Amino acid sequence: DAKTTQPNSMESNEEEPVHLPCNHSTISGTDYIHWYLQLPSQGPEYVIHGLTSNVNNRMASLAIAEDRKSSTLILHRATLRDAAVYYCILRDSYGGSQGNLIFGKGTKLSVKP
Amino acid sequence: EAQVTQNPRYLITVTGKKLTVTCSQNMNHEYMSWYRQDPGLGLRQIYYSMNVEVTDKGDVPEGYKVSRKEKRNFPLILESPSPNQTSLYFCASSFMSANYGYTFGSGTRLTVV
Repeated sequence: DAKTTQPNSMESNEEEPVHLPCNHSTISGTDYIHWYLQLPSQGPEYVIHGLTSNVNNRMASLAIAEDRKSSTLILHRATLRDAAVYYCILRDSYGGSQGNLIFGKGTKLSVKP
Repeated sequence: EAQVTQNPRYLITVTGKKLTVTCSQNMNHEYMSWYRQDPGLGLRQIYYSMNVEVTDKGDVPEGYKVSRKEKRNFPLILESPSPNQTSLYFCASSFMSANYGYTFGSGTRLTVV
C-alpha cells in the first residue's frame, strides 16, 4: 500500500502559485520524500526530494513539516506545461526493497489559462 | 546525456510469441526497475534489481522474466505474451541511496493480440 495520501485532483490558474499537499503520517526517520510528475503517455520525471529541510531547485520547492508527517510541493508560477499527475513517494534510505519507488494514485493538476 | 533508453517504443505482437523489451542506462546506477501502467491501476512494479545478478519480484511479476548480467542493461522478457499484458511499460534506474531520484525511460507501448 502507498504510504502517502494526496488529493485526487487540483486546479490552478496560470501564473499563480500551486501548493500540492501530501500526508505521510507513518514516515520513518530514514524515509526521503520524493516528488515526481508524469505527463500523459510519458515516463515519470523526477521533480525534487528532501529529508528534513525545505528544498528548492529550478523546478519547484519542497516544504517539509517540522514533524515530517506532511509535505507540500510548491510550483511558484503555474504554466500550462505544469498540468500533469504529481506523485509524492517515500523512499527508504536503507535501500534494498525499501529503496523502491512504489507509486500511489497521485494528484492530477489542471492549469487554467 | 544521462538517460534510460528503452526499445522498442511501440510493439504489436501476437499471443504466445516471445518478446524482449530492452532497457539500458548510462549513469552507472545500481537500481533498475520495470513498471507497467494501466488506466485506473496506476504504475505497478513488475521486477527490480539492486545490482548485477540480483533481481527480485515486484507487485505484478507473473508472466515476466528479467535478467541483470551487466550493470547497464535490464531486459524485460515475455516468454508467452497474453492480451492482459497489453500495457505501457517503463524502465527506471537510480543509485542505491535514497538521496537520489529515479530516471525513467520514455516507455514502451505493447499490444498483444
